Amino acid sequence: DTGVSQDPRHKITKRGQNVTFRCDPISEHNRLYWYRQTLGQGPEFLTYFQNEAQLEKSRLLSDRFSAERPKGSFSTLEIQRTEQGDSAMYLCASSPTSGYVAGELFFGEGSRLTVL
Amino acid sequence: AQRVTQPEKLLSVFKGAPVELKCNYSYSGSPELFWYVQYSRQRLQLLLRHISRESIKGFTADLNKGETSFHLKKPFAQEEDSAMYYCALIKGGSYIPTFGRGTSLIVHP
Repeated sequence: DTGVSQDPRHKITKRGQNVTFRCDPISEHNRLYWYRQTLGQGPEFLTYFQNEAQLEKSRLLSDRFSAERPKGSFSTLEIQRTEQGDSAMYLCASSPTSGYVAGELFFGEGSRLTVL
Repeated sequence: AQRVTQPEKLLSVFKGAPVELKCNYSYSGSPELFWYVQYSRQRLQLLLRHISRESIKGFTADLNKGETSFHLKKPFAQEEDSAMYYCALIKGGSYIPTFGRGTSLIVHP
């Protein structure tokens, strides 16, 4: 297992198109997080899953955004009708429940979205 | 709502100089504080936690509840310390970190 995997790494799309990002967490990590990071800012929380349950969503997650984690394994983040303001790095992270070290999230390399 | 403030976007020092990266927070309860680091072309990773009270790569951080601060310190900076550093807070009962905007540390030879 090489860690949290995200796909695609880069996505360029035109305004109004839909995009989907995938995250594969570390095996047996029950918790999965999505963050967004824009230039000059730290990661901003979007949503959090424990197994397949989406337990928390940020106000940043407008109705154009949807995230799923079927079967509690991989997760997808879909953005519909993209806007230029959606251009950002989308980060996925995971953490275990068993053997959890408080605050230790394992991050992926991110998926960079550019909306033209 | 909780908030993490890192006042410096950039900190530039010479090798061997002391380093202090500032972090202030606002939260009415008892938070857990962390420092994350991102080296060039690497993933964001946990550096240290306030509850561990340990030194990692020569870095230490003390939680000062009176000043609501959690500054990261190292007495003698090394070139390999150059990276982005993010302060993060988790509020009581949560598993979700709130991050500051980050400070870029550049250590010159």
